This record gives sequence, C-alpha cells and structure tokens, in this order.
Amino acid sequence: KAGVTQTPRYLIKTRGQQVTLSCSPISGHRSVSWYQQTPGQGLQFLFEYFSETQRNKGNFPGRFSGRQFSNSRSEMNVSTLELGDSALYLCASSPGQSSYEQYFGPGTRLTVT
Amino acid sequence: GQSLEQPSEVTAVEGAIVQINCTYQTSGFYGLSWYQQHDGGAPTFLSYNALDGLEETGRFSSFLSRSDSYGYLLLQELQMKDSASYFCAVSLDTGGFKTIFGAGTRLFVKA
Repeated sequence: KAGVTQTPRYLIKTRGQQVTLSCSPISGHRSVSWYQQTPGQGLQFLFEYFSETQRNKGNFPGRFSGRQFSNSRSEMNVSTLELGDSALYLCASSPGQSSYEQYFGPGTRLTVT
Repeated sequence: GQSLEQPSEVTAVEGAIVQINCTYQTSGFYGLSWYQQHDGGAPTFLSYNALDGLEETGRFSSFLSRSDSYGYLLLQELQMKDSASYFCAVSLDTGGFKTIFGAGTRLFVKA
C-alpha cells in the first residue's frame, strides 16, 4: 500500500504570496490532519478533516485554511505569507474517525523570503 | 490549555536502556501516543496507551498513568539507529480528532 504523499516537497515563496500544499492519504484512510513543524515550536496541530468536513482547528490565524475532497485528498492554503510561516508542513492520515495511529507524509518544506 | 512536557535531550550508550518521560496537563483524551522522527524524516508511530499500564512492542515499551498525568517510553537494547527525536502526543476527545504533541526529546546513542 502506498504511503502518504505530499506535493510539492520543497517550496520557496515571497512574503505576501499565497501557497497551496497537497496531501494524498493512504488508500482507505478518511481522516487527514495537518501540522506545522518548526525547530522552536515542535509539531503544531493545524486542522483535521474527515469525510470532507473540518472537525477540528488549531490556534492558527485565518490565513491558514484547508479542505478535503471526496477522494480524501486534502489541500491546505496559506495566504499573505509571512516570514514566520517558514516551516515543514506535515500531513498525516488515519483510517478511522478517532484513530490514534497516524501515518505521516514526508512533508513540504516551505521557505518564505 | 493542553500541554505536554518532555526532556529536550537524553544521551545513552549503545546496548543500554533509556526512559523518556512525558508529563501532561490535559483532560478528556483518548490516549497517549509516541512517535519517532529521524533527521529529515517524517514522524513514525511507535506505541499507544489507551489504558493505564505498560504496552510492549519489541524493544519499545510505553507506560501511562492517568492519575499521575504521566507517561514514558522505554527503549531497550539501544542501537545507534535509535538516535532520533521522540514525541509524546495526546489525542483529544473533542468530538473529532485533534492531536497535541510534546516538543520532542532528542535521543543521542553513543557507541
């Protein structure tokens, strides 16, 4: 079974621009969560989707948004990029509605200049 | 709010046993999970405790005590490849699925 895939793997953007990151979960997994990882803050929960519905959201500004499609693939969007948005963005999928075991993708390394 | 605390670094010798502690301030969570992350890699799931007590998976064991708001990951027969960051995480009961991670413990295994 293929693992979680994320595209692109690396991205360089300028302040003020927007970016869209994509995540394809493991086949059959319906829950997708997004995390921001930075050296100083560790893994910070962004949001979680299940069956195209956002069920939970972390403490991030409204510039961060996401969605999930009917095939469980998910995208997250960050608008009006700031330097502090530079981070590794990780997507994780889970098979069930409340599964504790998450499978992470390799992440997208976003650099904002 | 919810928070988890772990030591930032732990150093141990190859072949030894090491324990990584995790204390938390949260309630209403499904259980405590542990993840391993090598430099440049993605976190990978190691273990989960839904109930108090010890769970064993090969060289790794994990423990949870809800009454003490405490858990730990125990790594036995340490190998060089165990050098990595280890994160504890709680899955919150919010009507959905929300996971809060600790800041991570960097484990250095020396020969």
